[in-house]
Amino acid sequence: NAGVTQTPKFRILKIGQSMTLQCAQDMNHNYMYWYRQDPGMGLKLIYYSVGAGITDKGEVPNGYNVSRSTTEDFPLRLELAAPSQTSVYFCASSYSTGGQETQYFGPGTRLLVL
Amino acid sequence: AQSVTQLGSHVSVSEGALVLLRCNYSSSVPPYLFWYVQYPNQGLQLLLKYTTGATLVKGINGFEAEFKKSETSFRLTKPSAHMSDAAEYFCAVIEGSSGDKLTFGTGTRLAVRP
Repeated sequence: NAGVTQTPKFRILKIGQSMTLQCAQDMNHNYMYWYRQDPGMGLKLIYYSVGAGITDKGEVPNGYNVSRSTTEDFPLRLELAAPSQTSVYFCASSYSTGGQETQYFGPGTRLLVL
Repeated sequence: AQSVTQLGSHVSVSEGALVLLRCNYSSSVPPYLFWYVQYPNQGLQLLLKYTTGATLVKGINGFEAEFKKSETSFRLTKPSAHMSDAAEYFCAVIEGSSGDKLTFGTGTRLAVRP
């Protein structure tokens, strides 16, 4: 199994541009998550999904959109990039939720908005 | 609402010395607690977790953690640090078995001196 994969690894955007961060998992996990990691701030949840066709906002959803058309894929969309969205983005997945379930993380996408 | 506080954003130890990383949490229900490790330029990897039962839990790479309900703490230790332990460590909490979102601490960067 490849686990959780993310593309691209690194991207530079200009203010106002749009892009989609890709995330895929091959573990047949129902739950998927997007986090952003800023220095000294830990990880903040952007959006999550409990299954295909179902998404919900996390702690910091403004400026982002997601979709979940399949179990495997959970892309994150930035419509109008802003410098405040400069961050490292991590996708994660788990089989179910609750404290028993481990979240598996992808390697991250480093985004720089100039 | 749940929250996590990690004491010390940077910790430095000598190789072979004890590693001790501190984490305090707040939760309105019995929590499930996690320690994740992030090596440079990688995603997060689960070290260990506490759900119920024994308050001393063992994880990978020789780490263990002790849950102390009276102190609302989840302390991570390793008897003898290795150079390969240099990484960032995150404590996280889910509110009990019905919780669906991890809340992360801000992280502690561990440096290991030769």
